[in-house]
Amino acid sequence: AQTVTQSQPEMSVQEAETVTLSCTYDTSESDYYLFWYKQPPSRQMILVIRQEAYKQQNATENRFSVNFQKAAKSFSLKISDSQLGDAAMYFCAYRSATGNQFYFGTGTSLTVIP
Amino acid sequence: NAGVTQTPKFQVLKTGQSMTLQCAQDMNHEYMSWYRQDPGMGLRLIHYSVGAGITDQGEVPNGYNVSRSTTEDFPLRLLSAAPSQTSVYFCASSNYRVSSYNSPLHFGNGTRLTVT
Repeated sequence: AQTVTQSQPEMSVQEAETVTLSCTYDTSESDYYLFWYKQPPSRQMILVIRQEAYKQQNATENRFSVNFQKAAKSFSLKISDSQLGDAAMYFCAYRSATGNQFYFGTGTSLTVIP
Repeated sequence: NAGVTQTPKFQVLKTGQSMTLQCAQDMNHEYMSWYRQDPGMGLRLIHYSVGAGITDQGEVPNGYNVSRSTTEDFPLRLLSAAPSQTSVYFCASSNYRVSSYNSPLHFGNGTRLTVT
């Protein structure tokens, strides 16, 4: 089974600053899909951004972007111009090439300091 | 469009009791799954299904049963609740066509279950 590792249990960032959350994964597959989810205190799971492994270009969604390094099996999330509403737990997820399983990291709790 | 509807939101059980967590989706997703979320452990897959009549075990299936009689519904049954099953449970669905493997999971709002 694939494993997803988020080595930063907690992170903090000043409002309006930039923060990067780390994610690495272990796989022998060449094709797969990566996701970042946000879980605010409401417990809702919200998709932030996705990346296909066959695409070299890093995905971007407004203030959120990823740094996808396929050879290093790394998929970090960069949040620019951090806002108070960005405070949440962030999960990195991997979807296998067969599509039938998603694997999640243990999460990073992000605090935004006013 | 309701998405994934999960009920109840909260539940307290006594050890040994049984219950069913309900999950329904209206997006015609073939893939449905159940996760449990525990502090420091992320989301762990309990069971999943890739279509009506097809189910399979995930990482932590013991103590849970599922069935998939329709595309829309995927209930999770706790047969004899134990304190170790105290957790937050999420139902999630996704497309399951090769052309759609970049599709994310769509989550329900979760159920907080406490077993005393």
